[in-house]
Amino acid sequence: QQQVKQSPQSLIVQKGGISIINCAYENTAFDYFPWYQQFPGKGPALLIAIRPDVSEKKEGRFTISFNKSAKQFSLHIMDSQPGDSATYFCASHVSSGSARQLTFGSGTQLTVLP
Amino acid sequence: NAGVTQTPKFRVLKTGQSMTLLCAQDMNHEYMYWYRQDPGMGLRLIHYSVGEGTTAKGEVPDGYNVSRLKKQNFLLGLESAAPSQTSVYFCASSYHSGAKNIQYFGAGTRLSVL
Repeated sequence: QQQVKQSPQSLIVQKGGISIINCAYENTAFDYFPWYQQFPGKGPALLIAIRPDVSEKKEGRFTISFNKSAKQFSLHIMDSQPGDSATYFCASHVSSGSARQLTFGSGTQLTVLP
Repeated sequence: NAGVTQTPKFRVLKTGQSMTLLCAQDMNHEYMYWYRQDPGMGLRLIHYSVGEGTTAKGEVPDGYNVSRLKKQNFLLGLESAAPSQTSVYFCASSYHSGAKNIQYFGAGTRLSVL
């Protein structure tokens, strides 16, 4: 069962445009929401993350918007560059006793055209 | 600083063969994870470990076993490989600070089961 739904599956954006990727979650116990970036042939790497008590977090050209009541969060990439072309995964974190787990979305393949 | 190292990088197995994937981390992290990545499915947790000598099942544990005899190593075993286990396998390790859980991934092992 997928507890984190991510859309779109693929996205093509012109250089300089805004890329927007959306995620929705079901489990209200999730307490940390990271985004990971993955280049072909590499493992995912943390890009940016947000806590649920914050509505927005910005790091350079990357911004997470978080809507707790709607149980949705999104990644915005401003001034998208060809080097941003990668697969992006949203994730949601839950703690249970000593366990710490991330549940990942299905991924969005972003292509930024030059 | 190697981070998370996975071996081997590629492997082809015949149905019914067994193999072990090795993950090593040099960051002194308590937590380690094994994921599989399939197209359109994101990353799904197979097994994880919250410390040396402990392991637990994730979302898709069937057909896999793990061991964490040393803090820096996490082994994933396939006792009798099946074509459905053709996938890219990622190991990750993490520390956590409250709800914040940053996972560091290896470069992956691409496994084909014929």
